[in-house]
Amino acid sequence: KNEVEQSPQNLTAQEGEFITINCSYSVGISALHWLQQHPGGGIVSLFMLSSGKKKHGRLIATINIQEKHSSLHITASHPRDSAVYICAVRSKPGGGADGLTFGKGTHLIIQP
Amino acid sequence: KAGVTQTPRYLIKTRGQQVTLSCSPISGHRSVSWYQQTPGQGLQFLFEYFSETQRNKGNFPGRFSGRQFSNSRSEMNVSTLELGDSALYLCASSLHLGEAFFGQGTRLTVV
Repeated sequence: KNEVEQSPQNLTAQEGEFITINCSYSVGISALHWLQQHPGGGIVSLFMLSSGKKKHGRLIATINIQEKHSSLHITASHPRDSAVYICAVRSKPGGGADGLTFGKGTHLIIQP
Repeated sequence: KAGVTQTPRYLIKTRGQQVTLSCSPISGHRSVSWYQQTPGQGLQFLFEYFSETQRNKGNFPGRFSGRQFSNSRSEMNVSTLELGDSALYLCASSLHLGEAFFGQGTRLTVV
């Protein structure tokens, strides 16, 4: 079974700050997803990674396959970035986990 | 392009009843997966379908079942509802094993 750990669990920051959320997992994966969930439940897919780095606007996601670790960065944070950020992994076939395995999420609040 | 549509959005059921939830994927997506989200357990994988075949199943009791139709629409069914089944049920569609696009979810309350 793949264990997915996220840190921090809660993060409060001031508008404009650089934000980093971390995700580590225990078993080899075929892909890692970063998701954003706003109050009310809707989930938006931010990135899907299997290697390297991706950037979309102010969001950057990186993954280190050897270290089994990924980070999500938000530059020039804004109050509208306030949400829960969730890391999810798809284990490699035979990795003992089916479907996506999720971290518990990071609750981010950006204060004006 | 329309997103993933889940119906109904909210549902209240009594213990012992059964419930069917529906998910219409993005046009062209043949992979549909279902998840349960609760405050205590977070997001947990239920099942994954591709071209009408169940490809993966999570660790849930047999009361939870699903199916996918030839038009890729999917339903999940929970029989003999328990209070602990109260949760947000989310569906996601994708091209096979690709980026997941989530619906708004169905919030089920069992009383």
